[in-house]
Amino acid sequence: SAVISQKPSRDICQRGTSLTIQCQVDSQVTMMFWYRQQPGQSLTLIATANQGSEATYESGFVIDKFPISRPNLTFSTLTVSNMSPEDSSIYLCSVAGQGVTIDTQYFGPGTRLTVL
Amino acid sequence: AQRVTQPEKLLSVFKGAPVELKCNYSYSGSPELFWYVQYSRQRLQLLLRHISRESIKGFTADLNKGETSFHLKKPFAQEEDSAMYYCALISPRGQGGSEKLVFGKGTKLTVNP
Repeated sequence: SAVISQKPSRDICQRGTSLTIQCQVDSQVTMMFWYRQQPGQSLTLIATANQGSEATYESGFVIDKFPISRPNLTFSTLTVSNMSPEDSSIYLCSVAGQGVTIDTQYFGPGTRLTVL
Repeated sequence: AQRVTQPEKLLSVFKGAPVELKCNYSYSGSPELFWYVQYSRQRLQLLLRHISRESIKGFTADLNKGETSFHLKKPFAQEEDSAMYYCALISPRGQGGSEKLVFGKGTKLTVNP
């Protein structure tokens, strides 16, 4: 298994600002994923971040709004840019290790973001 | 498009009663389906996968391709089963993309004493 930490655990931000969320894993992993869970909604995949390559974004999510970094095999960041109240959500990081199937994802505790 | 539907947002049962959390899916082909669980103040974790045909914490789930369902069942619910349950499937690689999990909206199960 993998132990995942996220910072910050929660934040309250003003409209128009940006927030960078960090995801740290205690072991090297191949795939990292960023999800959004809006109030009362399901988890929606934002992007897949593999080390050494550009992040792959899902339909409806763009790099300008959600830039992602993946500098090494244990760390990634997601930035929520130019925030609006509609960005209020829980943002989750998850990982899958090399050689394991995608269903064996380990999830972080999430970052609860409120945009005023 | 692949989709997972959990028709019940909330489900409440008494301890010792049977429980069934419904999950229906739309998928062209042979799906890989899973149940994830999130207990209070804990992170999301995999509960079971249909391919394993396993029973975890007394829960089972059978894939019914005819009804496109993957309902989660437990004959005798316990208070510690109270949690948020998500049904999910693996969506295949799109053009230039990778496999991903598609989640339902979740069902909050409350087991009353």
